[in-house]
Amino acid sequence: AQSVTQLGSHVSVSEGALVLLRCNYSSSVPPYLFWYVQYPNQGLQLLLKYTTGATLVKGINGFEAEFKKSETSFHLTKPSAHMSDAAEYFCAVSDRGGDDKIIFGKGTRLHILP
Amino acid sequence: DSGVTQTPKHLITATGQRVTLRCSPRSGDLSVYWYQQSLDQGLQFLIQYYNGEERAKGNILERFSAQQFPDLHSELNLSSLELGDSALYFCASSVAGGRTQYFGPGTRLTVL
Repeated sequence: AQSVTQLGSHVSVSEGALVLLRCNYSSSVPPYLFWYVQYPNQGLQLLLKYTTGATLVKGINGFEAEFKKSETSFHLTKPSAHMSDAAEYFCAVSDRGGDDKIIFGKGTRLHILP
Repeated sequence: DSGVTQTPKHLITATGQRVTLRCSPRSGDLSVYWYQQSLDQGLQFLIQYYNGEERAKGNILERFSAQQFPDLHSELNLSSLELGDSALYFCASSVAGGRTQYFGPGTRLTVL
């Protein structure tokens, strides 16, 4: 069965510093991979997704993620954190061969320090 | 704005009651998904409908049911409510065969 592990339920970075949110997946076949962001009292917004092709995926708001098959990872990065990046981030997977339901990780809350 | 709408935004009810949550997908999207978000369980997939037919089922309790109507809107029915059913319920939609799901703003259910 597919699963997603996000390392660190809370991550704090200073404004202007690198953001790195870690995600590892477990799947017999590389799945579709997603990062979603949830701002307080709002729904989930897609940041980026990996389906096929280039393993470095660029998303909205300056975020990007790299699919590493050998490490079964899909870490999310942003070179310079902004106060508006404070939110909860969810890594998610969807099976290529089966139905298209999404399995979410537990989420990482990103705190930005002034 | 994702284009997915959910009503109501907030719902407060008592144990044992029944409620209906409504979702309208983005224009043209045939698939509708329901998720539950709670502090202890995180985000859990409940059920998917595609063009009116049930397509996939997740951790949905027998007290919960859903349907998708000919105009493609969907309703999630929760009955015999328990305190533990208090959560955020999200609806998402996608195009036929698409893997990108667009989420609505959610319905916050509080069971007292």
